[in-house]
Amino acid sequence: KQEVTQIPAALSVPEGENLVLNCSFTDSAIYNLQWFRQDPGKGLTSLLLIQSSQREQTSGRLNASLDKSSGRSTLYIAASQPGDSATYLCAVSMNRDDKIIFGKGTRLHILP
Amino acid sequence: SQTIHQWPATLVQPVGSPLSLECTVEGTSNPNLYWYRQAAGRGLQLLFYSVGIGQISSEVPQNLSASRPQDRQFILSSKKLLLSDSGFYLCAWSRRDIQYFGAGTRLSVL
Repeated sequence: KQEVTQIPAALSVPEGENLVLNCSFTDSAIYNLQWFRQDPGKGLTSLLLIQSSQREQTSGRLNASLDKSSGRSTLYIAASQPGDSATYLCAVSMNRDDKIIFGKGTRLHILP
Repeated sequence: SQTIHQWPATLVQPVGSPLSLECTVEGTSNPNLYWYRQAAGRGLQLLFYSVGIGQISSEVPQNLSASRPQDRQFILSSKKLLLSDSGFYLCAWSRRDIQYFGAGTRLSVL
């Protein structure tokens, strides 16, 4: 049974710092991995999608990497801003069009 | 462009009352549809998913049911709500491996 773990559960950093959020999964035979952002009381927004054959994806100040064999992914946020404060969730899919399995998220607070 | 609508945004219901949450998607056809529940400290849990009209897969045994009467409509229901049904319910649809989420419904069962 696939399990997704995110560490740390919460993180506070000063504005301007670069930071890394971690995600690990127990079954390395994934189809893809996604990072989502969730603002308090809101739905989820997809940030980056990495296919199993890819090593990383970039969007603006965000960079997500995937090491499938070791069951790990990281989300790198450069030059953090207060607007980046949110919960970030990692999720994996085992097959195309299949259900995805979420981690519990990392609650990020950027201090102005 | 595609949009997903979910309502109501907030709902307070007494124990034992029925429930109906509706989700509709616009701008796409034959989407995969999902219902999730997010409870404090428990993360996001998949409740139901559907690959077509009338096709519903249940992930966990529970007090809830789902139906898909039309291609772009997904309904979450209960005949009698329990206290443990409280939570944040999210509907989503997927295309090309990416899932798109609605704004969610905050359900409080009292």
